[in-house]
Amino acid sequence: GESVGLHLPTLSVQEGDNSIINCAYSNSASDYFIWYKQESGKGPQFIIDIRSNMDKRQGQRVTVLLNKTVKHLSLQIAATQPGDSAVYFCAESGGSSNTGKLIFGQGTTLQVKP
Amino acid sequence: GAGVSQTPSNKVTEKGKYVELRCDPISGHTALYWYRQSLGQGPEFLIYFQGTGAADDSGLPNDRFFAVRPEGSVSTLKIQRTERGDSAVYLCASSLWAGGREQYFGPGTRLTVT
Repeated sequence: GESVGLHLPTLSVQEGDNSIINCAYSNSASDYFIWYKQESGKGPQFIIDIRSNMDKRQGQRVTVLLNKTVKHLSLQIAATQPGDSAVYFCAESGGSSNTGKLIFGQGTTLQVKP
Repeated sequence: GAGVSQTPSNKVTEKGKYVELRCDPISGHTALYWYRQSLGQGPEFLIYFQGTGAADDSGLPNDRFFAVRPEGSVSTLKIQRTERGDSAVYLCASSLWAGGREQYFGPGTRLTVT
């Protein structure tokens, strides 16, 4: 079956440090992966995505790395700020279906200490 | 521009009652998705619409749950004979086209069944 999961439930970092949030997936047919940020009381907010034909993609202060060999996904946040404190979810929308249905992991809480 | 909106933001109902949750997608978005999020978990897919038709309802837990999108814009999620286990945040998302990976989420409706 399909499952997407995160390695650590909570990550605590110092303001200004870099953060790395990890995710493992089990469906080798997955062709697309997304990272979402969710603040308390709000819906998930799109951060960055990556297709399975890529192994790295960069955005503003964020980088997503995909290792298909070990089915691992990571989100790197540079110079972490207090506003980055939130729950981060990885999600996959994979296989041959094209419905856009997303399968989410359980989430990692990022706490940024001032 | 306006994002995805959901009403009500909070709904408290008694066990056995009927509830309706409304979603207004971003104007022009043809695809609409419903997810359910329990405390401490990632969102769980319920149903997806392309236009007026439900293209994938594989996530609906049972026949007490039903959703409509009669004019291809606003959608209503309907829950009959509510149970305490239905308590969760119900999230709606929309995307430009079918299979559009970048889904924009609304703030959710928090449903509490007493």
